[in-house]
Amino acid sequence: DPKIIQKPKYLVAVTGSEKILICEQYLGHNAMYWYRQSAKKPLEFMFSYSYQKLMDNQTASSRFQPQSSKKNHLDLQITALKPDDSATYFCASSQDGTGGTGQLYFGEGSKLTVL
Amino acid sequence: QQKVQQSPESLSVPEGGMASLNCTSSDRNFQYFWWYRQHSGEGPKALMSIFSDGDKKEGRFTAHLNKASLHVSLHIRDSQPSDSALYFCAASGAGANTGKLTFGHGTILRVHP
Repeated sequence: DPKIIQKPKYLVAVTGSEKILICEQYLGHNAMYWYRQSAKKPLEFMFSYSYQKLMDNQTASSRFQPQSSKKNHLDLQITALKPDDSATYFCASSQDGTGGTGQLYFGEGSKLTVL
Repeated sequence: QQKVQQSPESLSVPEGGMASLNCTSSDRNFQYFWWYRQHSGEGPKALMSIFSDGDKKEGRFTAHLNKASLHVSLHIRDSQPSDSALYFCAASGAGANTGKLTFGHGTILRVHP
């Protein structure tokens, strides 16, 4: 059974609309992250949360807003969608958010297409 | 400039052969290196980490790190068709948030029977 559940797996949106990507992890980890994988760029770090607190934000746009309602949840709200937002969004987790040696566990991704 | 560069972009090896993947970083803040593997339709999965100079072996996989040149390599011996995947090199800085990895573009490995 997958330990990191991402929903939906695929979604199509129109330009200007808003979508929420859901992520739940059942690994008992304390840190969660969002990464983005688009066609012409490498996997990119977006956000990190540790114990439900924002640790780092590497997205340039406020249109991307993570939401952590519970320790094992980290959703991603994207507003005013643009075609350039089309990508696969991966949720990941690790035991904790300190140091540089922790292994990341990734979900299977949510593939977003913006028309 | 891409901080983590991988080569080759793609690689084809026969079953049972050796696959060698390379990664070079341009950021001397990077201290910790990882190899991740992604099969089609799945999320990346960690293969192995390497944090010290020299070789690290795990089964058929051997990673090598040279911190002076910031060069990392991954060697897969006795390659299997199930090894066909996209391989990423990833790096993070010392003391950095664990999850903030910088990834390369990846190397597509195809192992043919």
